[in-house]
Amino acid sequence: DTGVSQDPRHKITKRGQNVTFRCDPISEHNRLYWYRQTLGQGPEFLTYFQNEAQLEKSRLLSDRFSAERPKGSFSTLEIQRTEQGDSAMYLCASSSGTGSPPDTQYFGPGTRLTVL
Amino acid sequence: QKEVEQDPGPLSVPEGAIVSLNCTYSNSAFQYFMWYRQYSRKGPELLMYTYSSGNKEDGRFTAQVDKSSKYISLFIRDSQPSDSATYLCAMSVFSGGYNKLIFGAGTRLAVHP
Repeated sequence: DTGVSQDPRHKITKRGQNVTFRCDPISEHNRLYWYRQTLGQGPEFLTYFQNEAQLEKSRLLSDRFSAERPKGSFSTLEIQRTEQGDSAMYLCASSSGTGSPPDTQYFGPGTRLTVL
Repeated sequence: QKEVEQDPGPLSVPEGAIVSLNCTYSNSAFQYFMWYRQYSRKGPELLMYTYSSGNKEDGRFTAQVDKSSKYISLFIRDSQPSDSATYLCAMSVFSGGYNKLIFGAGTRLAVHP
């Protein structure tokens, strides 16, 4: 396994611009998660996919955020009309969904977003 | 009040010291208790998990859970400079068909030679 990969690793954008991040989970993992981590805090859950179906969204995921996982493989997270408060590390994780509990989530390196 | 509380530190110890990291939680429904390690500018990696009260040992690491007090700990023996990282406790509850993780804020640890 090559692990969870995320692209880009860093993104600097101006307020009001749209950004899109990509996550490639561990192959054959059917569960995928997005988290947001701000400085000095732990990761906070944003959304969860089982294959291509988005099954849960946090209240943190405002209307400006959208996530997709077409064909149940890679996933994208788009933020429209970025705000300075969106500056954070966006982490993707995947799990097999088929193993014994607690169905360990494996994290990618994250995409660090800076909104100027 | 947050569901999971963790002292953010920072914690600075000399090499070889025993380190104690702690978290408290308020949700009795939590089933699994985990410790993740996060190096600077990297994603978290799972160190250990446990689901029952008591101790679980893995090399220099020991995880301890006291469900009656809603308190978990991670002990690191013979700490090394390579242990310098942020340690995140995480609790999971089975909800919506998957194990939902709730993280603490993380404790930053520095082990100096």
